[in-house]
Amino acid sequence: EDQVTQSPEALRLQEGESSSLNCSYTVSGLRGLFWYRQDPGKGPEFLFTLYSAGEEKEKERLKATLTKKESFLHITAPKPEDSATYLCAVQPLDKLIFGTGTRLQVFP
Amino acid sequence: DAGITQSPRHKVTETGTPVTLRCHQTENHRYMYWYRQDPGHGLRLIHYSYGVKDTDKGEVSDGYSVSRSKTEDFLLTLESATSSQTSVYFCAISEQPTGELFFGEGSRLTVL
Repeated sequence: EDQVTQSPEALRLQEGESSSLNCSYTVSGLRGLFWYRQDPGKGPEFLFTLYSAGEEKEKERLKATLTKKESFLHITAPKPEDSATYLCAVQPLDKLIFGTGTRLQVFP
Repeated sequence: DAGITQSPRHKVTETGTPVTLRCHQTENHRYMYWYRQDPGHGLRLIHYSYGVKDTDKGEVSDGYSVSRSKTEDFLLTLESATSSQTSVYFCAISEQPTGELFFGEGSRLTVL
C-alpha cells in the first residue's frame, strides 16, 4: 500500500537553530515528491518538486533533498516567519498522497 | 498568487441539509480538485475535474457530488450533510495532472 509518513509531528526551534524535517514514503512507483507550506487558516502553498533520487532544490532558507525512500526539508538558520506546517506529498502514477505534516514553530 | 476563490468561507448547517461549496478560478487551468483536511489525516481527494463536464472520483467521494459547467467554476455538493462531513474543504487547480497544485483559502464546514 502506498504510504507517506512525516516526522516529527511538531518541532520547536530557536531562531537560527537549523534542523531537518523528514518525509518517508513507500510507493509502487514515484512520479514526483512535493513539499508545501501551510499557514494557519490558509491553503497549502507549493514549495518544491523533486523527481529522482539525488535531486536537490533550494529556496531561501529551505533545501529539499530526495533519496529512494525519503525526502528531507532542511531549514537553515530559521526565522519566526518560517513557522508553519510543512506538508509532503508523493505522486505514484495518477494520484497524490499527502502526509499529515510537521508543525514548525520558530521562536525569537 | 493563483486566482482561486472559495465560497462560502465558513458555514454552519444541520444534519440532513444540502450544502454547495463553490470554487472559482481566474487562471484558466484545466484541472480542478476538491480536498478535505481533517486532524490526523493528510489532505484527501474527494473529486477532481479534468475539463468542463469531465469529473472523476477521489478516495473519499461517498456522500459528495461535483459539477463543472464552465472552466472557471467547480461546485462541490453534499446532498444530505452528515456530522462526519464537518471539515475544512480546499479547492485546488493545476495546469497539468501533477502534484504542483495551487490551493484556495479553504471553506470551513460545520455540520451539527
